Amino acid sequence: EDQVTQSPEALRLQEGESSSLNCSYTVSGLRGLFWYRQDPGKGPEFLFTLYSAGEEKEKERLKATLTKKESFLHITAPKPEDSATYLCAVQASSGGSYIPTFGRGTSLIVHP
Amino acid sequence: GAVVSQHPSRVICKSGTSVKIECRSLDFQATTMFWYRQFPKQSLMLMATSNEGSKATYEQGVEKDKFLINHASLTLSTLTVTSAHPEDSSFYICSARRHRESQPQHFGDGTRLSIL
Repeated sequence: EDQVTQSPEALRLQEGESSSLNCSYTVSGLRGLFWYRQDPGKGPEFLFTLYSAGEEKEKERLKATLTKKESFLHITAPKPEDSATYLCAVQASSGGSYIPTFGRGTSLIVHP
Repeated sequence: GAVVSQHPSRVICKSGTSVKIECRSLDFQATTMFWYRQFPKQSLMLMATSNEGSKATYEQGVEKDKFLINHASLTLSTLTVTSAHPEDSSFYICSARRHRESQPQHFGDGTRLSIL
């Protein structure tokens, strides 16, 4: 069974204090790992797709990296507007399931 | 690109009413659409998956007669909550994905359903 575990569950940072969110996964054959951002009362917003170990993607203060067992979402010099819940999901290639598995998310609060 | 529109954003209605929620992919063809339910401070709970022109596949514990899903075209899926009761009050979110499983889902902004 595909599993996705995100840590920490919650993270509080001061503005400008860089940190990383973790997404550990267990799948038999990874077709894609996805990062999303969700603001309260809104649907998740797509951020990145990573397909293979060693791949990196960047967008503004966010950088996503991928290994064979986990992905990190690095946040450099965060601002209060980066406060949100960050979700990780994996799509496996085995078993015929075309349904992505989501982690429970990391709730990030950035204090000014 | 990859915009998904979900309507309405909020519904308040009396117990026993049926409510229809629409999910449209505005600038791409969505082979697969997903419907989720989300409780406060919890992650997404998948309710069902639908492929265009096929019957929806429901997750265990989700009543298919209660939550009717129609995916009539490559850009439109609807979720109808039939004879809604207060326990059906929740945040419902749809997503759409292009034809390959390696593509990400793109989500609507959700519908807040409140049954009085």
